[in-house]
Amino acid sequence: GQQVMQIPQYQHVQEGEDFTTYCNSSTTLSNIQWYKQRPGGHPVFLIQLVKSGEVKKQKRLTFQFGEAKKNSSLHITATQTTDVGTYFCAGYYGNNRLAFGKGNQVVVIP
Amino acid sequence: NAGVTQTPKFQVLKTGQSMTLQCAQDMNHEYMSWYRQDPGMGLRLIHYSVGAGITDQGEVPNGYNVSRSTTEDFPLRLLSAAPSQTSVYFCASRHDRGVSGANVLTFGAGSRLTVL
Repeated sequence: GQQVMQIPQYQHVQEGEDFTTYCNSSTTLSNIQWYKQRPGGHPVFLIQLVKSGEVKKQKRLTFQFGEAKKNSSLHITATQTTDVGTYFCAGYYGNNRLAFGKGNQVVVIP
Repeated sequence: NAGVTQTPKFQVLKTGQSMTLQCAQDMNHEYMSWYRQDPGMGLRLIHYSVGAGITDQGEVPNGYNVSRSTTEDFPLRLLSAAPSQTSVYFCASRHDRGVSGANVLTFGAGSRLTVL
């Protein structure tokens, strides 16, 4: 079936450093979404990318959608302790099935 | 505006027992869905509904039933609980914006279920 794969699954990041997490789909996506889940919390929407090659920024977060619309990345600069959590990418297969990757669990080392 | 409300927050069941996880949203969202989250597995879609009276299966539907009699409510039923159903369950809803629209999910706080 359709799959969304994320790498790496776990990251330990020193506070102040940058890191990137990657998302790949087995098929072309109409759009891709990113969510963040804080420890013990629920997923919260961050952003949606729709266009091929699209780049969007939210303060220290930069999101990219690949030219072929099959991959995406999230890059965080100057990591802060508030960045701790699990980052999920998700893609729609058809209009009604949002498939999530397994997530990238980020631990921030002070 | 409460968003998506799930009850109960925690539940312990014995194998074979039945129960219903409740989900209610007050945003007039057409679409509602249930996901389960297991360590290292991400979020997997169980069932979803695009409107009252319409439901469909997701990726992992076995052992679960749903119904959608109103726009607001989308309960998830476990008819005979099994230890493999120990998980955190999330209900999520959204407007239906079409294929190219901003179909962004709003999640509830989750229900943690343990089956002994």
